[in-house]
Amino acid sequence: DIQMTQSPSSMSVSLGDTVTITCRASQDVGIYVNWFQQKPGKSPRRMIYRATNLADGVPSRFSGSRSGSDYSLTISSLESEDVADYHCLQYDEYPRTFGGGTKLELK
Amino acid sequence: EVQLVESGGGLVQPGRSLKLSCVASGFTFSNYGMNWIRQAPGKGLEWVAYISSGSSYIYYAETVKGRFTISRDNAKNTLYLQMTSLRSEDTALYYCATSYSLDYWGQGVMVTVSS
Repeated sequence: DIQMTQSPSSMSVSLGDTVTITCRASQDVGIYVNWFQQKPGKSPRRMIYRATNLADGVPSRFSGSRSGSDYSLTISSLESEDVADYHCLQYDEYPRTFGGGTKLELK
Repeated sequence: EVQLVESGGGLVQPGRSLKLSCVASGFTFSNYGMNWIRQAPGKGLEWVAYISSGSSYIYYAETVKGRFTISRDNAKNTLYLQMTSLRSEDTALYYCATSYSLDYWGQGVMVTVSS
């Protein structure tokens, strides 16, 4: 199975920060990585698809990038509504696998 | 607007069975593969199963293979997950999600396996 190693597992952040979360794939998954935001008590919401594409309705302060087997989600100028859990997903192969998640907390 | 509504969860004893449903609307259900994903309390996401649009292709996580069965009824716009031989470690919030890339998710249904 493909492992998605996500870091950090948690992050203490301030409003206005630029935040970067990374997933490293254990083998080549190409562009087939999505990023999801999950707020407490809510279902995951797709933010980025195919590694770098912004999903509909997602603010432009969110971006996705890829460098080799490393995939990153960056939030520029963090707003209070962005404080949530974030998950990466590889969908190149079955079984689909998620990263362990990153919890953003306000300082 | 894509809507996915899960139902059928509840408290069940270990070793017993439960069947989840996910009713879809706002898109052409019969054109899309569907997934079940679960999230144990306070834990991360775990993909459970996938079924293609015409039910020709089905995949399972190793943790549920042989115990869970995914199916669908395109005439009823409904996805199912039949769960048998349930274990305490199956306790989770179960979500259905659209397509091979898990684009849209339902609100989830809780399954608690406990004596």
